[in-house]
Amino acid sequence: KQEVTQIPAALSVPEGENLVLNCSFTDSAIYNLQWFRQDPGKGLTSLLLIQSSQREQTSGRLNASLDKSSGRSTLYIAASQPGDSATYLCAVKAGTYKYIFGTGTRLKVLA
Amino acid sequence: GAGVSQTPSNKVTEKGKYVELRCDPISGHTALYWYRQSLGQGPEFLIYFQGTGAADDSGLPNDRFFAVRPEGSVSTLKIQRTERGDSAVYLCASSLDSSTDTQYFGPGTRLTVL
Repeated sequence: KQEVTQIPAALSVPEGENLVLNCSFTDSAIYNLQWFRQDPGKGLTSLLLIQSSQREQTSGRLNASLDKSSGRSTLYIAASQPGDSATYLCAVKAGTYKYIFGTGTRLKVLA
Repeated sequence: GAGVSQTPSNKVTEKGKYVELRCDPISGHTALYWYRQSLGQGPEFLIYFQGTGAADDSGLPNDRFFAVRPEGSVSTLKIQRTERGDSAVYLCASSLDSSTDTQYFGPGTRLTVL
C-alpha cells in the first residue's frame, strides 16, 4: 500500500532563506508526483508536476526533484517571502486515476 | 465561472441525517475528483469521474457514500445516515480530461456532523 510522508510537519524561517521540503513514498511505481500549495480555508493550487520519467521541474523560485528509486522528492524554495506561507502538500499518482497525498508541511515565512 | 465552485461552503447537520454536496467543475473539464480532508491531514481520494461514469470509486469509505454526475458536468456527493466521523472538508477537483494531470481544486465544503 502506497504511503506518502512529509517532513518536517511545520517549518518557520526568516524571510530570504532558501529552504527544502521533503516528501517520501513507499512504492516507486508511480505515474507522477505533484506539489501543491494550500492556503487556510482554500482549495489546493498545483505548483509543479514531475512525470515518472523526469528528474526535476522548475517554476520561478520553485524547484522540485524526483528520485523514484529511493522514493523521494524535494521542493526547493529560493529566497522565501512572507507570501510563501502556506501548507505544502505532495501527492503521488499511484494508479490510473488515484492520487495519494502526504499530510503536508506548514510553512511560515517571517518578515 | 472561471474556477471550480462548491456549494454549500459550510454544512452543519445532525447525526443520522442525509446531506448532498455539490461541485461545479470548470466548463469543458471531463475529469472530476472528490476528496475528503480531515483536520491536519492531506486530502484522501474518494472517487473519480470521467464524463458521466465513475471510473474509480475505490476511495468511498462505505455504502453510505455515493456520488453522481448525470450529465458529465455538475457532480453531487451524497452521504446517508451521517456520522460524526464524516466531519471533514470535502474537496472537488477537475481536470481537462483523463490524460491531463493538472487538477484545479474548488474551495471545499466544510461538513460538520453534530
